[in-house]
Amino acid sequence: GAVVSQHPSRVICKSGTSVKIECRSLDFQATTMFWYRQFPKQSLMLMATSNEGSKATYEQGVEKDKFLINHASLTLSTLTVTSAHPEDSSFYICSARLAGGSTDTQYFGPGTRLTVL
Amino acid sequence: EDKVVQSPLSLVVHEGDTVTLNCSYEVTNFRSLLWYKQEKKAPTFLFMLTSSGIEKKSGRLSSILDKKELSSILNITATQTGDSAIYLCAVLSAGNNRKLIWGLGTSLAVNP
Repeated sequence: GAVVSQHPSRVICKSGTSVKIECRSLDFQATTMFWYRQFPKQSLMLMATSNEGSKATYEQGVEKDKFLINHASLTLSTLTVTSAHPEDSSFYICSARLAGGSTDTQYFGPGTRLTVL
Repeated sequence: EDKVVQSPLSLVVHEGDTVTLNCSYEVTNFRSLLWYKQEKKAPTFLFMLTSSGIEKKSGRLSSILDKKELSSILNITATQTGDSAIYLCAVLSAGNNRKLIWGLGTSLAVNP
């Protein structure tokens, strides 16, 4: 149980294009999903917290107009990197927290490796 | 400022060795501490600890929380090459939208 999927797993795009990454909780409902990015040999950096049906909460220094988050349902959140640039190349990981339960555990998707040329 | 510190940052051992990884934290409104294992992809959940002194065990892995010392350890006995990974510690704060505060991880390499 508690499986989270991400799509695509890997994407290569040209500078200036937009890229959408999907995060789905497959066998549970998630009121809250989290988006992280991770640079090589560094820890996870939280970008934003996505709550179903409301606007995402962005961490300091993360541009909300550049990283658009939509949490349209209890099983799907999307992150769109708009006008991507090479410095946006990174490993993007989402996680989902079980809705309604007492657990604090976040379950992670397999990640999306974005390369911007 | 809330922070989580892991030590050592990296470790190289031989198969069969026992290792102890450390995680200390300074977090307001502590709620729980979580351990994750990260290989090439995203982290996989290992343990969640909320109560002090109660050991959690899964096979050769075990972990315990010491709220007095604001720390936790993760033990791996009889290490195998498949244990090679980055082990991440994260602390959940009760406030602040209940987000996780992450340590930098311990990179463990188990040589045959």
